[in-house]
Amino acid sequence: GAVVSQHPSRVICKSGTSVKIECRSLDFQATTMFWYRQFPKQSLMLMATSNEGSKATYEQGVEKDKFLINHASLTLSTLTVTSAHPEDSSFYICSARVLAGGPVTDTQYFGPGTRLTVL
Amino acid sequence: QKEVEQNSGPLSVPEGAIASLNCTYSDRGSQSFFWYRQYSGKSPELIMFIYSNGDKEDGRFTAQLNKASQYVSLLIRDSQPSDSATYLCAVPPLGNQFYFGTGTSLTVIP
Repeated sequence: GAVVSQHPSRVICKSGTSVKIECRSLDFQATTMFWYRQFPKQSLMLMATSNEGSKATYEQGVEKDKFLINHASLTLSTLTVTSAHPEDSSFYICSARVLAGGPVTDTQYFGPGTRLTVL
Repeated sequence: QKEVEQNSGPLSVPEGAIASLNCTYSDRGSQSFFWYRQYSGKSPELIMFIYSNGDKEDGRFTAQLNKASQYVSLLIRDSQPSDSATYLCAVPPLGNQFYFGTGTSLTVIP
């Protein structure tokens, strides 16, 4: 299957700092990437949809000024958590949409995730 | 009504038994369906997809799709403790967003 990398895998930062998370599709071009957040023992929560070359579409309740998303190329999307606070501590996961031959094989592959801890 | 619904479990089965995971969806136009497995502390990984009515087998896993009844299931034969995870059902609609179920937690008891 398609490979998606995410960096860093784990980050600990002080309250008020900004953290950037990178998501890369390694062996394919991804016109669409998704950013999810997952709290312990809870389900995936979609934060935003990122399309290459255009502004991200944020889900209701997600602050676009706090979670900055940039999808500058077909293989890289970044999520920047600005002025992070302890309540932003979570598992952040990106995924990339793969269109392989048509809608019936349209799927997405996930990166390994980034565990953010804000002290 | 949610786009995709799953029984959150937890579901416990003894080692060697068949685990049956179910998912219902609301959009009759959905064409393809995916099962992801998520181990605790890890991101989801794709294990199967199906887009034709009937069964699709891959090793110990069988996906079953019934479009008339709008449900898709995943059977795990000869369950192993390593199968203990949360299983997510996903449906990509005609638009851009994928819909995930909340996941079913499976525990295989040795």
